[in-house]
Amino acid sequence: DTAVSQTPKYLVTQMGNDKSIKCEQNLGHDTMYWYKQDSKKFLKIMFSYNNKELIINETVPNRFSPKSPDKAHLNLHINSLELGDSAVYFCASTTAGRIGSYGYTFGSGTRLTVV
Amino acid sequence: AQSVTQLGSHVSVSEGALVLLRCNYSSSVPPYLFWYVQYPNQGLQLLLKYTSAATLVKGINGFEAEFKKSETSFHLTKPSAHMSDAAEYFCAVSEGEYGNKLVFGAGTILRVKS
Repeated sequence: DTAVSQTPKYLVTQMGNDKSIKCEQNLGHDTMYWYKQDSKKFLKIMFSYNNKELIINETVPNRFSPKSPDKAHLNLHINSLELGDSAVYFCASTTAGRIGSYGYTFGSGTRLTVV
Repeated sequence: AQSVTQLGSHVSVSEGALVLLRCNYSSSVPPYLFWYVQYPNQGLQLLLKYTSAATLVKGINGFEAEFKKSETSFHLTKPSAHMSDAAEYFCAVSEGEYGNKLVFGAGTILRVKS
């Protein structure tokens, strides 16, 4: 199936741990994003990569580090997890220069719970 | 910078009634506008999009939206609500066709009463 897939779907971890979330798309897109959806369901952009190059880096604690090994993959590593990091993290992809025409395709999300 | 305001965080309608979800946008260039739907514990799915062609846009599941430049609005409607429409709906804007991101509104939860 063509899609944006995220793993894991659920992640429960203790404060202070380090964890990673992975995202892969097989749509042939060249631009990928991480969004955070907080408890009030607000979607806030965190990062964007175009063809492995970081193009958007919003005001995000430097405990969050994205990595894009190739244009089909975008991972998110979080160090020293805090309670406030609990949220649903969505990966999305699109084609550069075509966002207005196509919007995004979203992954199904990773629900991170920090205890 | 672009922004989106969704009036009403919760909307409740009876099954069979008209659905109206409001979205107003701000953009310094002609906007490209989207509505997404999120069912519980799922990702966001594209409902419809405005891309500067027809101002009345039809989407999936019987939804449609009308772009009104004079009102800077892109309200989502459906003539007759179905129980399966209960979900959260997000309006989003791209700053022009070549914008580098979508900016989302805060979302509107639609409840459908039987």
